[in-house]
Amino acid sequence: TQLLEQSPQFLSIQEGENLTVYCNSSSVFSSLQWYRQEPGEGPVLLVTVVTGGEVKKLKRLTFQFGDARKDSSLHITAAQPGDTGLYLCAAPAGGSWGKFQFGAGTQVVVTP
Amino acid sequence: KAGVTQTPRYLIKTRGQQVTLSCSPISGHRSVSWYQQTPGQGLQFLFEYFSETQRNKGNFPGRFSGRQFSNSRSEMNVSTLELGDSALYLCASSLGATEGTEAFFGQGTRLTVV
Repeated sequence: TQLLEQSPQFLSIQEGENLTVYCNSSSVFSSLQWYRQEPGEGPVLLVTVVTGGEVKKLKRLTFQFGDARKDSSLHITAAQPGDTGLYLCAAPAGGSWGKFQFGAGTQVVVTP
Repeated sequence: KAGVTQTPRYLIKTRGQQVTLSCSPISGHRSVSWYQQTPGQGLQFLFEYFSETQRNKGNFPGRFSGRQFSNSRSEMNVSTLELGDSALYLCASSLGATEGTEAFFGQGTRLTVV
């Protein structure tokens, strides 16, 4: 079983602060996805990283894939209340079509 | 381009009943996966269909079943409902042609079993 471990489980910060969420595994992945989910809604895909060492930016969000493709991080600069949500990392379950494994998620709360 | 549509959004059922949930994938997507999400267990994979065939199945009892139609729309059925089946059921669609194709989720169906 390839496990994705996310840390921290919960983050509460003030508007304007920075934060980083981590997603780690002992397995190597062909790709890794980050999603944001709001209460009662489905996860929304933010980014897919594929190449080891890859860095992708989405406005104030920066995603990095580890050189060995075993870990990833999500950094938010100058967080805003609209960034509040559950951040999930996901990766294909090796050898299993259409199956993704998910981390437990990091709940981020940004207060004004 | 329309996203993934799940119906209904909310359901309340009684123990012992059965329920059918529906998912319409993004146009052109042939793979539909189903997940159960609960606070304690997170997102757990139920099964995946591609071109009307189940390609993959998670570790859920036989009470959970699904199917996919020729237009790629999918349904999942849960029979003999238990209180523990209360969860957000999510459907994800993808092109599915290769392993790891990006998955796009619907808004989910919130099932409450009383």
